[in-house]
Amino acid sequence: SQTIHQWPATLVQPVGSPLSLECTVEGTSNPNLYWYRQAAGRGLQLLFYSVGIGQISSEVPQNLSASRPQDRQFILSSKKLLLSDSGFYLCAFTDTPNSPLHFGNGTRLTVT
Amino acid sequence: GNSVTQMEGPVTLSEEAFLTINCTYTATGYPSLFWYVQYPGEGLQLLLKATKADDKGSNKGFEATYRKETTSFHLEKGSVQVSDSAVYFCALSGPGNQFYFGTGTSLTVIP
Repeated sequence: SQTIHQWPATLVQPVGSPLSLECTVEGTSNPNLYWYRQAAGRGLQLLFYSVGIGQISSEVPQNLSASRPQDRQFILSSKKLLLSDSGFYLCAFTDTPNSPLHFGNGTRLTVT
Repeated sequence: GNSVTQMEGPVTLSEEAFLTINCTYTATGYPSLFWYVQYPGEGLQLLLKATKADDKGSNKGFEATYRKETTSFHLEKGSVQVSDSAVYFCALSGPGNQFYFGTGTSLTVIP
């Protein structure tokens, strides 16, 4: 069966420090991969999506970046975190047209 | 373009009350429609889906019918439980596997 793993579950980082969040998918190949951010009490904001290795589309200009070094691995990064980067980050995937998004358990990031 | 509008919350109900959370959409073509549930501190879980007009999605006592004529996909449950307390998101999938989410509706069920 298909599973998605996302880590770490929680992270507290100082302003100006780097960030790396990792997401991996199992049980499928060539999935579409997505990074979302959810601010406290708010809806979902799409940050990046990828339809294949090395193919990244950015939805919101910001100091975050994403990479897809392997078919089922999706990484969210930042060189220098801002206070406004705090939030709940969710990785998700789909693998066939019209199939639903499947989400990871999320990473709670607090920038201090 | 594509968009989803769902009723503002928060919604507070007594246990065993009837639940309706309204969701309407705007879409080009024939999207698939979804309801997701998010429990505190967790990711979103797929609750139910419908892929074409007049389809009814159902799961765990929740139901929603894809109404093309009213562009709606309202979530209903006949008798809510305390364990149903969560945030509910309506969503659609459009061309190119793009997803559009509503802003979420927080539900609290009190004993």
